Amino acid sequence: DTAVSQTPKYLVTQMGNDKSIKCEQNLGHDTMYWYKQDSKKFLKIMFSYNNKELIINETVPNRFSPKSPDKAHLNLHINSLELGDSAVYFCASSQGLAGGAGTQYFGPGTRLTVL
Amino acid sequence: AQSVSQHNHHVILSEAASLELGCNYSYGGTVNLFWYVQYPGQHLQLLLKYFSGDPLVKGIKGFEAEFIKSKFSFNLRKPSVQWSDTAEYFCAVNGGANNLFFGTGTRLTVIP
Repeated sequence: DTAVSQTPKYLVTQMGNDKSIKCEQNLGHDTMYWYKQDSKKFLKIMFSYNNKELIINETVPNRFSPKSPDKAHLNLHINSLELGDSAVYFCASSQGLAGGAGTQYFGPGTRLTVL
Repeated sequence: AQSVSQHNHHVILSEAASLELGCNYSYGGTVNLFWYVQYPGQHLQLLLKYFSGDPLVKGIKGFEAEFIKSKFSFNLRKPSVQWSDTAEYFCAVNGGANNLFFGTGTRLTVIP
């Protein structure tokens, strides 16, 4: 069984479009995250939700809006896509906040290409 | 602010060679430390982690890492690498924040 799943795996779209990436975890964790991995493989936190509440919102354009309908899901909606948004987006989850014993488990990633 | 440095960007080894990948972090308080591996085209998988206790941590697939507090280091080691260890390796630290800070990664290429 897939612990953290993301859809779609690949997303190719034109500049200016709006798109969503979905993430689901079946681990019973209460904290979920979105990371962005750029072309140089650098991973950076974007958002974190704990029990559906936003707890981390790094310096990310407000074109990016996360939504957590329940503890098992954290979706990422992106408005007015730009070329610089091309990256691999990873969802992750942990039990408790990462400052505790919350080892993070990652999804397979969504490769977004903006043309 | 927390940060993680991985000074080896690309390491090339022959099979059976020994591996050590460097990781240094900057944070003055108590830290949790992780090594993740990303095989080509795959997601990040946890190799090992350190929270407390014995500073020598053993992980999966024969990897181990040693936490040296005085050096702010958490280097990853494996005595004998295999071709299947070819991957990107990421060190990450959490020092009380609610997320992980990742290093820039080290690409390991193992030549058969």
